Amino acid sequence: KQEVTQIPAALSVPEGENLVLNCSFTDSAIYNLQWFRQDPGKGLTSLLLIQSSQREQTSGRLNASLDKSSGRSTLYIAASQPGDSATYLCAVKFDRGSTLGRLYFGRGTQLTVWP
Amino acid sequence: ETGVTQTPRHLVMGMTNKKSLKCEQHLGHNAMYWYKQSAKKPLELMFVYSLEERVENNSVPSRFSPECPNSSHLFLHLHTLQPEDSALYLCASSHREAGNTIYFGEGSWLTVV
Repeated sequence: KQEVTQIPAALSVPEGENLVLNCSFTDSAIYNLQWFRQDPGKGLTSLLLIQSSQREQTSGRLNASLDKSSGRSTLYIAASQPGDSATYLCAVKFDRGSTLGRLYFGRGTQLTVWP
Repeated sequence: ETGVTQTPRHLVMGMTNKKSLKCEQHLGHNAMYWYKQSAKKPLELMFVYSLEERVENNSVPSRFSPECPNSSHLFLHLHTLQPEDSALYLCASSHREAGNTIYFGEGSWLTVV
């Protein structure tokens, strides 16, 4: 069974800290992995997309890494700000039995950054 | 503004009502999706349309009926729903070629009473 797990479920930190959010998946045969942000009552905003052939992607203060062999991805947030407060979701497109657009999501990490 | 617009944003309906959710994408994509987000489960795929043909029905009950009249519009028709169907329904779109980023709308909050 293809599953995606995210830890921690919730994280509360003071402004300025560097953070690491974790995502693990059960099948190393993935096509790509995507990190999303979801604000309360809102839809999902794509942050970073890592193809299976890539090891990491960077956008501003965000850096996502991918280690297929160990079934893990991390999202690193540098110098966190209160505006980073949101739920962060990891989604995987698996190679096997994976139809178009089928992403497997974790339950997310709810991040709170306080001033 | 993500390029994927959903209406209504909030909907309350009785179990005997018939209503529809609408999604429109302005990104020139050729694949559209309905996802469901409930408090008890991770986000899960419901339907996939590629070039206006349904290519996936993820064991969704028949009380949910999708319609894709063209590559820019997607509907989810709702009939005789149950309270456990209350959830956030998210529409998304992408280019059908594998490996492309999927873009989500803001979602429609559905409450069944």
